[in-house]
Amino acid sequence: EAGVVQSPRYKIIEKKQPVAFWCNPISGHNTLYWYLQNLGQGPELLIRYENEEAVDDSQLPKDRFSAERLKGVDSTLKIQPAELGDSAVYLCASSLGDSRSEQFFGPGTRLTVL
Amino acid sequence: DAKTTQPPSMDCAEGRAANLPCNHSTISGNEYVYWYRQIHSQGPQYIIHGLKNNETNEMASLIITEDRKSSTLILPHATLRDTAVYYCIVRVGGTYKYIFGTGTRLKVLA
Repeated sequence: EAGVVQSPRYKIIEKKQPVAFWCNPISGHNTLYWYLQNLGQGPELLIRYENEEAVDDSQLPKDRFSAERLKGVDSTLKIQPAELGDSAVYLCASSLGDSRSEQFFGPGTRLTVL
Repeated sequence: DAKTTQPPSMDCAEGRAANLPCNHSTISGNEYVYWYRQIHSQGPQYIIHGLKNNETNEMASLIITEDRKSSTLILPHATLRDTAVYYCIVRVGGTYKYIFGTGTRLKVLA
């Protein structure tokens, strides 16, 4: 069974440029998460989807970050414009609908903003 | 959500048991303890979780003290591939939110 797929794995951009990350969750998982992980820190939740609905986006900086999950499967996280402080790893995870179900993480996208 | 406290780093000899402690002294009655690990350049990987009773699976054992204020993750026979950052997470029952700390960096030595 394929795991959570993310692309690209690495991205280098200049500040003020836009960037987008893509995530394909495990088949059948209706809950999808985006996390931000700074160097030496644990992941921090940005947004959680139940199917196509964003049910927790309280930690998403809405001035420059946006996300969508059309059709309740794949998801895209966008930053526009990127700032130097956005350099980090962006992780996508998915799980079944039960809140006790473990989350399965993708390998992440490492973003470097120059 | 309850906070967790873990030692920043630990070493373990290959083939020996690795015992990783976690303090969660403010845990509430309906909060589960989860353990994940993150190998370099990969996403976190689920290991095990529990509420009150000790748990064991093919990867590890989880020992939760009777007062539930601390727990220990046991890797019975550590291998070099177990070198990773191990996160202890306490999550409120019925919610989806994990709050990761900085974890314990375990180095398994040959």
